[in-house]
Amino acid sequence: GENVEQHPSTLSVQEGDSAVIKCTYSDSASNYFPWYKQELGKRPQLIIDIRSNVGEKKDQRIAVTLNKTAKHFSLHITETQPEDSAVYFCAASKGRGSTLGRLYFGRGTQLTVWP
Amino acid sequence: EAGVAQSPRYKIIEKRQSVAFWCNPISGHATLYWYQQILGQGPKLLIQFQNNGVVDDSQLPKDRFSAERLKGVDSTLKIQPAKLEDSAVYLCASSLDRGYEQFFGPGTRLTVL
Repeated sequence: GENVEQHPSTLSVQEGDSAVIKCTYSDSASNYFPWYKQELGKRPQLIIDIRSNVGEKKDQRIAVTLNKTAKHFSLHITETQPEDSAVYFCAASKGRGSTLGRLYFGRGTQLTVWP
Repeated sequence: EAGVAQSPRYKIIEKRQSVAFWCNPISGHATLYWYQQILGQGPKLLIQFQNNGVVDDSQLPKDRFSAERLKGVDSTLKIQPAKLEDSAVYLCASSLDRGYEQFFGPGTRLTVL
């Protein structure tokens, strides 16, 4: 199966600074990589995703990069704000086969943005 | 559009008791997922339905967990008998089809004493 490793487990930054969270995956057949934000006691919500035919994707202050050769992808948040504080999960999924649609999640990164 | 609904939101039971969770996906979504999220970890898929059929239940502990999705809409997940290690948040998610964006419900927090 797939194994997704996520680092760091906790990250503290000052408001306005950038935050970077990194994930690696093991299965070269994985081709879809979403990032979820989960605030305390709430449901995970998709914030950005990338497919393996693209190297980078941006959405305002959030960007994701993918290196297929090295099997790693990263989440970049610029100009962080206190409301960015949450747990962020990376995930990987395959585009075909019996496990199509199954998301393999990392263990999460607790991001804290200090005012 | 209305999101994924789950009930109950919280449940406390004693070990060896049984419990059931209910999920109503987003209207028109063919694929429904049940995940288990243990404190401090990412969600782990238990079972995936496509309409009313099971397409992936390889990580479901079938000796105690069961799930169904009658009529291809609502779904129930049951645990019988519960163990202490089943304490977790059970998340339901749905997507338009397999491989599409997954939308999560608020989850059911289960505590087994």
